Amino acid sequence: RKEVEQDPGPFNVPEGATVAFNCTYSNSASQSFFWYRQDCRKEPKLLMSVYSSGNEDGRFTAQLNRASQYISLLIRDSKLSDSATYLCVVNPTPYSSASKIIFGSGTRLSIRP
Amino acid sequence: DAGVTQSPTHLIKTRGQQVTLRCSPKSGHDTVSWYQQALGQGPQFIFQYYEEEERQRGNFPDRFSGHQFPNYSSELNVNALLLGDSALYLCASSWAGGPGDTQYFGPGTRLTVL
Repeated sequence: RKEVEQDPGPFNVPEGATVAFNCTYSNSASQSFFWYRQDCRKEPKLLMSVYSSGNEDGRFTAQLNRASQYISLLIRDSKLSDSATYLCVVNPTPYSSASKIIFGSGTRLSIRP
Repeated sequence: DAGVTQSPTHLIKTRGQQVTLRCSPKSGHDTVSWYQQALGQGPQFIFQYYEEEERQRGNFPDRFSGHQFPNYSSELNVNALLLGDSALYLCASSWAGGPGDTQYFGPGTRLTVL
């Protein structure tokens, strides 16, 4: 079983739609979770951290379900510029100075006009 | 404030050759991690360097080696290249005194092995 699993997509949705991605992780001791965004042929960039209580940043909402070991990302009122690959990231040892973050394979999102 | 830089941006090699990729961390960062990203996949952790030593290593063969210099810059070396080594190689930097998972990525080096 992969340490971090995501639906690869692609998700193809119209502009203005709401879209949600899920990601599951295998290490129940994991404490630190993130969503990164990666544009085509570019480096990953941090989109948002995911906290236990859930957190929101504008049109983006991230949630964590520790019992079921999954995190989610919700994008409301999607824009053409949201088209990208969204990478789920888990850090199983965030309190160690030698942190090794683990990436999922990514979910491709394409927003159509 | 310069971000993470990597060189070269693109590289073409043939099977069996050796390659060296370079990374300069973001100003103030002292830890460098290297990742390999194959097409359609997420980045895979290769290793991490801190205080000029390899601190952690992922599931990569010994053909992959690295080095960190006193100025915190780092090199990734790959020997005996295979076709399967073709990928985007990403360097990420962080500060050991902060959350280790707050990593900043460079633009990557795209390696093609023919």
